[in-house]
Amino acid sequence: AQKITQTQPGMFVQEKEAVTLDCTYDTSDPSYGLFWYKQPSSGEMIFLIYQGSYDQQNATEGRYSLNFQKARKSANLVISASQLGDSAMYFCAMRERDLAQGGSEKLVFGKGTKLTVNP
Amino acid sequence: NAGVMQNPRHLVRRRGQEARLRCSPMKGHSHVYWYRQLPEEGLKFMVYLQKENIIDESGMPKERFSAEFPKEGPSILRIQQVVRGDSAAYFCASSPLPRFNQPQHFGDGTRLSIL
Repeated sequence: AQKITQTQPGMFVQEKEAVTLDCTYDTSDPSYGLFWYKQPSSGEMIFLIYQGSYDQQNATEGRYSLNFQKARKSANLVISASQLGDSAMYFCAMRERDLAQGGSEKLVFGKGTKLTVNP
Repeated sequence: NAGVMQNPRHLVRRRGQEARLRCSPMKGHSHVYWYRQLPEEGLKFMVYLQKENIIDESGMPKERFSAEFPKEGPSILRIQQVVRGDSAAYFCASSPLPRFNQPQHFGDGTRLSIL
């Protein structure tokens, strides 16, 4: 079963505008973490922001914020004041503990959203 | 502080050869994860290791793939008798003692191409 769903294969935004990238997740574990990573065309994976399942407030990191709606199991990334350098693939990932695998805390990734920022 | 170091950045092999991918975690990190990214896909977990121990290899193909993280030296992902379907980007990530709020820090990846 797909644990992380990113329904937007591609998104376009005008420079300086805000954009929301969607992410829904599926887990029965009450303890989990949600992460967003950016992958520019050069290929590296850059950590952006983290949200814990017990966090009361939405996470923010500079121009990035996470719209966490626990009941809906969604963790959407909001990028404010988009810049040309924000053009990249964006991946949502979930970290949960797999007790069947020795407590392994691997990341499960969505398929990503390709964001293009237009000048 | 040096980040996660992976080498080589690009690796070309012919079918049937062996591929060895290396990963040195960030200083102070003792947990290493390997992921594979096929074209146009997200990253898929392969294996999780601590020093001298494989904790979770549930994502590793049953044959030809192996991984190690020795007491000294980098973690190695080894692919024997490579086939065209092994062409992918292989990423290594590391973390300190894993807690939910600790991001995994990724290396730049190794792009493996099979001729």
